[in-house]
Amino acid sequence: SQTIHQWPATLVQPVGSPLSLECTVEGTSNPNLYWYRQAAGRGLQLLFYSVGIGQISSEVPQNLSASRPQDRQFILSSKKLLLSDSGFYLCAWSQGAEIYGYTFGSGTRLTVV
Amino acid sequence: GEDVEQSLFLSVREGDSSVINCTYTDSSSTYLYWYKQEPGAGLQLLTYIFSNMDMKQDQRLTVLLNKKDKHLSLRIADTQTGDSAIYFCAESPYSSASKIIFGSGTRLSIRP
Repeated sequence: SQTIHQWPATLVQPVGSPLSLECTVEGTSNPNLYWYRQAAGRGLQLLFYSVGIGQISSEVPQNLSASRPQDRQFILSSKKLLLSDSGFYLCAWSQGAEIYGYTFGSGTRLTVV
Repeated sequence: GEDVEQSLFLSVREGDSSVINCTYTDSSSTYLYWYKQEPGAGLQLLTYIFSNMDMKQDQRLTVLLNKKDKHLSLRIADTQTGDSAIYFCAESPYSSASKIIFGSGTRLSIRP
């Protein structure tokens, strides 16, 4: 069966420090991968998605970047965090056919202080 | 453009029915979804409906789709305290391959 792992679950980082959040998927190959951010009390904002290794589409200009070094690995990064980067970050995957929608990871709560 | 809108809050009494409404803009959407997010957790797919269907029922959940008005609703019968969560409506637009567009979420709270 397919599983998605996202870590860490909680992170507190100072302003100006770097960030690396990792997401991996098991039990499938060539998944579509997504990073979402959910700010406090708000909906989901799609940050990046990837349909293959090395292929990254950015949805909104921001302080973050994404990489997909392996088929089932998706990394969200920042060189210097801003206070506004605080939020709940969700990784998700899909198999391309949208009938089952996305499967989400358990999320990372990032607080920039 | 692609947009999904839903009200932010809904409060119902335990045992009553909850109806969460959603409107979307892309008439070419093939699938529409309802996701549930419990506090501090990721989103779980509750149910989905294909665009050529008007209604789908799954135990306590009933999804109604009005394609003419681009309106989707989720009805939860006999609402329980465990149903407290944020419910997201989402669409899969034909024009945006591989992407699902989410609404802002409706926070459902249950009164005793």
